[in-house]
Amino acid sequence: QSALTQPASVSGSPGQSITISCTGTSSDIGGYNYVSWYQHHPGKAPKLMIYVVSNRPSGVSNRFSGSKSGNTASLTISGLQADDEAVYYCCSYVSGNSLLFGGGTRLTVL
Amino acid sequence: QVQLQESGPGLAKPSQTLSLTCTVSGGSITTGDFYWSWIRQSPGTGLEWIGYIFSSGKTFSNPSLKSRLSISIDTSKNQFSLTLRSVTAADTAVYYCAREGRGAGWFDPWGQGTLVTVSS
Repeated sequence: QSALTQPASVSGSPGQSITISCTGTSSDIGGYNYVSWYQHHPGKAPKLMIYVVSNRPSGVSNRFSGSKSGNTASLTISGLQADDEAVYYCCSYVSGNSLLFGGGTRLTVL
Repeated sequence: QVQLQESGPGLAKPSQTLSLTCTVSGGSITTGDFYWSWIRQSPGTGLEWIGYIFSSGKTFSNPSLKSRLSISIDTSKNQFSLTLRSVTAADTAVYYCAREGRGAGWFDPWGQGTLVTVSS
């Protein structure tokens, strides 16, 4: 299984919006609505930001939103803030009872 | 609220076995239809799903690790464990345990992670 495809890095200025894409296949993202997103600050545990494509857990800012079209899922962060700077990972269910992460995208807030 | 904590040796020798335990507190490991999961991150790379186990003992594993992997659960101790055999330097990683959301592919909460180094 190859990792889901994410851009290695994205950047934006405070207050701007950015979108991180996550591309898979019809056997994972395209076939199921089980896509989740995680924020990972170095040395800390990853934090769930979005689940089941577009749902936000309690306590996660509504500046974070998720969507999916075909084999590509997306995470959008609006109103960028300094502490949004982190590595973001997508994850998808894969046919055959498996799970697959993306390679991670480093977000830099300029 | 549910919390998870990994424990185990921080060093394993090549060709030997890596064993870790995750202790769940703040709730029973048998409550709800959750899967109890292991995930790792090797140095300089992204996250990799290792596998998970249901309270009944049913397991699902990453196909790339399946031949070397065992995941078990001890409901009396509210713990689940990972055993990875025949380890190499490529198994050096931070290992996380996490609760998976009822087969819907999301992980929350996570443990803090524990670094395991494979070296002679």
